[in-house]
Amino acid sequence: DAGVTQSPTHLIKTRGQQVTLRCSPKSGHDTVSWYQQALGQGPQFIFQYYEEEERQRGNFPDRFSGHQFPNYSSELNVNALLLGDSALYLCASSKLGSTVYNEQFFGPGTRLTVL
Amino acid sequence: TQLLEQSPQFLSIQEGENLTVYCNSSSVFSSLQWYRQEPGEGPVLLVTVVTGGEVKKLKRLTFQFGDARKDSSLHITAAQPGDTGLYLCAGAMVNDMRFGAGTRLTVKP
Repeated sequence: DAGVTQSPTHLIKTRGQQVTLRCSPKSGHDTVSWYQQALGQGPQFIFQYYEEEERQRGNFPDRFSGHQFPNYSSELNVNALLLGDSALYLCASSKLGSTVYNEQFFGPGTRLTVL
Repeated sequence: TQLLEQSPQFLSIQEGENLTVYCNSSSVFSSLQWYRQEPGEGPVLLVTVVTGGEVKKLKRLTFQFGDARKDSSLHITAAQPGDTGLYLCAGAMVNDMRFGAGTRLTVKP
């Protein structure tokens, strides 16, 4: 049973560019959440997708957008990259409504470096 | 300001020692999770606690959820070098998960 997978593992971009990160959820999961983890910090919630729609959003600007596909996989897009966007981007999947608590499983992350 | 405050921020101990790390908040959570994260990898779920006062044991790890569901602790008995990592607590809000900044544990052989 494959867990959460993310691609690419590493990415280097320059300021002002755009980037797309990809995530495939764990088998049987239908909900995908994206997090940004800066060095030395805990993950910060970006947004969550369910049924191809954004359900919730954290305190991130509109430069961060996403998409969920019918097969539950998801993309995170970041436009007009800033140096401060350099971080580990984590995808987590869960099964909505399967339990009373939101148990998530994380992928290995994509390390984005903005120069 | 983090919604969840973890302490200590850093902890370095010798193999065989016991330790406790804490996760505190002024907010009430429906559940709280503990993760361990190694460098360059995603967090790995260790346990979820749901009921106030709940205690869960996972081998040498003991997790406790506060009675008011605002805080939690993780106790490790006889720490081993393999326990080294970043320990994160995360509280479940209505529709998202809030993480603390973590406790970075180093266990020296």
